[in-house]
Amino acid sequence: GAGVSQSPRYKVAKRGQDVALRCDPISGHVSLFWYQQALGQGPEFLTYFQNEAQLDKSGLPSDRFFAERPEGSVSTLKIQRTQQEDSAVYLCASSRLGSTDTQYFGPGTRLTVL
Amino acid sequence: KQEVTQIPAALSVPEGENLVLNCSFTDSAIYNLQWFRQDPGKGLTSLLLIQSSQREQTSGRLNASLDKSSGRSTLYIAASQPGDSATYLCAVSNQAGTALIFGKGTTLSVSS
Repeated sequence: GAGVSQSPRYKVAKRGQDVALRCDPISGHVSLFWYQQALGQGPEFLTYFQNEAQLDKSGLPSDRFFAERPEGSVSTLKIQRTQQEDSAVYLCASSRLGSTDTQYFGPGTRLTVL
Repeated sequence: KQEVTQIPAALSVPEGENLVLNCSFTDSAIYNLQWFRQDPGKGLTSLLLIQSSQREQTSGRLNASLDKSSGRSTLYIAASQPGDSATYLCAVSNQAGTALIFGKGTTLSVSS
């Protein structure tokens, strides 16, 4: 079946612009995660949804970052007033249950802020 | 705060060699540990998941072990092949079970 998909794959933004990154999880997966991966580093957790409920947003670096999953399927990560330090690959993952189950990752969105 | 460390950061081996990648974590209160593979410019592929009650898991040429009390895991790759070249990431679940905490990875290069 189809895996996790993300769009766009690449995004270039000027500093101060707002961006929206989309994630389509595997159909039927209850849990959805967002991670941020800087160059040469491992992914860092941003936020977790169980269905439409955002149960953990402890990893969001500032209030410029906002995520939603209104119908418990597709999720959007929004970054307002982008800054250069936001440049990274943003990875989305889904699983049947929580992080106690295998997470399936999408290809990521590479965000470059100029 | 949970911290995950992977050693070595990079490893180069000739084809056919057996090798071990190491992962350590500071807090033994984990739900599970997972090993992932990441190819350049791509997302992560799950290789093995070890529940906290298990000691090891095997898949093909891969074997992962877990010693929760000492905060260590190893990924053993038998008879390495050039196609195994990638970055290998270790991750443990947080105490709430809502997220994975990753190490920085070990970049493996297998030469033919």
